[in-house]
Amino acid sequence: AQSVTQLGSHVSVSEGALVLLRCNYSSSVPPYLFWYVQYPNQGLQLLLKYTTGATLVKGINGFEAEFKKSETSFHLTKPSAHMSDAAEYFCAVIPSRSQGNLIFGKGTKLSVKP
Amino acid sequence: GAGVSQTPSNKVTEKGKYVELRCDPISGHTALYWYRQSLGQGPEFLIYFQGTGAADDSGLPNDRFFAVRPEGSVSTLKIQRTERGDSAVYLCASSSGTGFYGELFFGEGSRLTVL
Repeated sequence: AQSVTQLGSHVSVSEGALVLLRCNYSSSVPPYLFWYVQYPNQGLQLLLKYTTGATLVKGINGFEAEFKKSETSFHLTKPSAHMSDAAEYFCAVIPSRSQGNLIFGKGTKLSVKP
Repeated sequence: GAGVSQTPSNKVTEKGKYVELRCDPISGHTALYWYRQSLGQGPEFLIYFQGTGAADDSGLPNDRFFAVRPEGSVSTLKIQRTERGDSAVYLCASSSGTGFYGELFFGEGSRLTVL
């Protein structure tokens, strides 16, 4: 079965520090990979996605993620955290080209300390 | 409207009752999805519509759950004989593309509490 594992249900960083949110997936075929963000009292919104091509993808608000096939990982990073980055982040995968449903991880809640 | 609209935002009901949750997608979006998010979990896929038809309903947990999209726009998720385990936030999303390769736009969800 295809799955997504997000390491750490809660990550806390200081403002200006590096943000690293980990995501590993299991898939028997090259997957499509996504990061979604959910700010308090708002709907989920797409942060970035990897489908094909360049393995380093850039998203909104300075976030980026790198697809590493050998490590089955798609970790999300941002060089310098902002207070406004506090939110819950979900990694998701479409496991195969013939199956459309997104499979989400359990989420990582990011807190940013002043 | 500008975004995906879900009503009601909150619904409290008693065990055994019938519930309807409505989703109004972004105008022109042909694809519509329902997900369920329980506390501490990520969204769990329920059903996906392309136009009026359900393209994939493999995530519906049992026959108490049913969804329709009669005119290819608004969708209603229907839950019969509700159980306490149905308590969750029900999310709706829409997309302009076919399949999941396009960006999904999510509503704020309908929080269902079954007492």
